[in-house]
Amino acid sequence: GAVVSQHPSRVICKSGTSVKIECRSLDFQATTMFWYRQFPKKSLMLMATSNEGSKATYEQGVEKDKFLINHASLTLSTLTVTSAHPEDSSFYICSARDPIRQGPRAGANVLTFGAGSRLTVL
Amino acid sequence: DAKTTQPPSMDCAEGRAANLPCNHSTISGNEYVYWYRQIHSQGPQYIIHGLKNNETNEMASLIITEDRKSSTLILPHATLRDTAVYYCIGTGGTSYGKLTFGQGTILTVHP
Repeated sequence: GAVVSQHPSRVICKSGTSVKIECRSLDFQATTMFWYRQFPKKSLMLMATSNEGSKATYEQGVEKDKFLINHASLTLSTLTVTSAHPEDSSFYICSARDPIRQGPRAGANVLTFGAGSRLTVL
Repeated sequence: DAKTTQPPSMDCAEGRAANLPCNHSTISGNEYVYWYRQIHSQGPQYIIHGLKNNETNEMASLIITEDRKSSTLILPHATLRDTAVYYCIGTGGTSYGKLTFGQGTILTVHP
């Protein structure tokens, strides 16, 4: 099946620094990717929609200047957490629409998720 | 998206069928029911989806009631590796990949 790869899987950084997380679609092109965030013992929350060649669309309450998203190619989206603080510590997960399972029946909501990136800000 | 209600936790013995219920009484006619699961510290994994008819794939079966107000995900022979949080999501095509995850059901499969 379709695979989405995330890197790094874990990152620890000091407060005030910036961290970049990469999300790659392997063997398929993804014009749109989705970035989710999950705090401990909580459910996933959609942060933003990454669009190849155009600006990302952010969900309400998500600071676009803090969470920079770049979708420079059809297989790569990056999320940069700028000036990270301890409250940004979370599990960040990207996803893309599964090209194999799409179709009229799917309703466009069959997603393939990456393994996630756990960010810890000290 | 339709509001969904799931029990917070369930247990199942290894080798037995796991039946996970989901209530989605407000689901509209063009909204599908999707099931995903998340094993600890991993990204979610798609399981199955359906609109009206029952569905089966290599992972599970999905039984949707005739009035579409509820559904049941069936894992026919649960294994320890099926221990995960299972999410039921009701959404239509216009959401275009923007899934609203609830709290899900924590399924624990024990030996």
